[in-house]
Amino acid sequence: DAMVIQNPRYQVTQFGKPVTLSCSQTLNHNVMYWYQQKSSQAPKLLFHYYDKDFNNEADTPDNFQSRRPNTSFCFLDIRSPGLGDAAMYLCATSLGTSGSTDTQYFGPGTRLTVL
Amino acid sequence: AQKVTQAQTEISVVEKEDVTLDCVYETRDTTYYLFWYKQPPSGELVFLIRRNSFDEQNEISGRYSWNFQKSTSSFNFTITASQVVDSAVYFCALSDNTGGFKTIFGAGTRLFVKA
Repeated sequence: DAMVIQNPRYQVTQFGKPVTLSCSQTLNHNVMYWYQQKSSQAPKLLFHYYDKDFNNEADTPDNFQSRRPNTSFCFLDIRSPGLGDAAMYLCATSLGTSGSTDTQYFGPGTRLTVL
Repeated sequence: AQKVTQAQTEISVVEKEDVTLDCVYETRDTTYYLFWYKQPPSGELVFLIRRNSFDEQNEISGRYSWNFQKSTSSFNFTITASQVVDSAVYFCALSDNTGGFKTIFGAGTRLFVKA
């Protein structure tokens, strides 16, 4: 089945220790997104890639970076995690042909704990 | 400005009851899309429906139905004969052509279905 895969499902890191979350997709979608979701809140868009074009949301902290080496993979790098970065990180993809109105398909998420 | 309001924070019902989740949206665009997603305790956001602004027909899929009314800017979701497996957080979301690739999510409604 075509899908969005996130690894690991659970990640524990120490305060200030860099961490990388990964996302892969078999849908061959052009757009990949990273969302941060804190407890009992809606997902918050951090950034997205349309193909190789990177688009950062204005309020995304500099501590968060992303890489998309190819169509299938996208990485979220948190350079110096703080306690406030503990959250669920959701990766999503969309076809990209209809812009923002395409349906987004989500992975299972990575729950990040910062000690 | 785009906005999605889900006024119900939590709803609790007994199995087999019908339940309606409310969603009110704001947009200046005449072309937009509305979505509902389900987020079970596992964390993955599961796509349920996508509806464009030119299609006001109500939709039924099994026990799920959606009532789209442009006159009141609402896109409500009804679950008929609720089951314990319906327990989840449900998000209503909006995309239009002014937001780039950004989808605006409501705050979510947590549904508890008790046996």
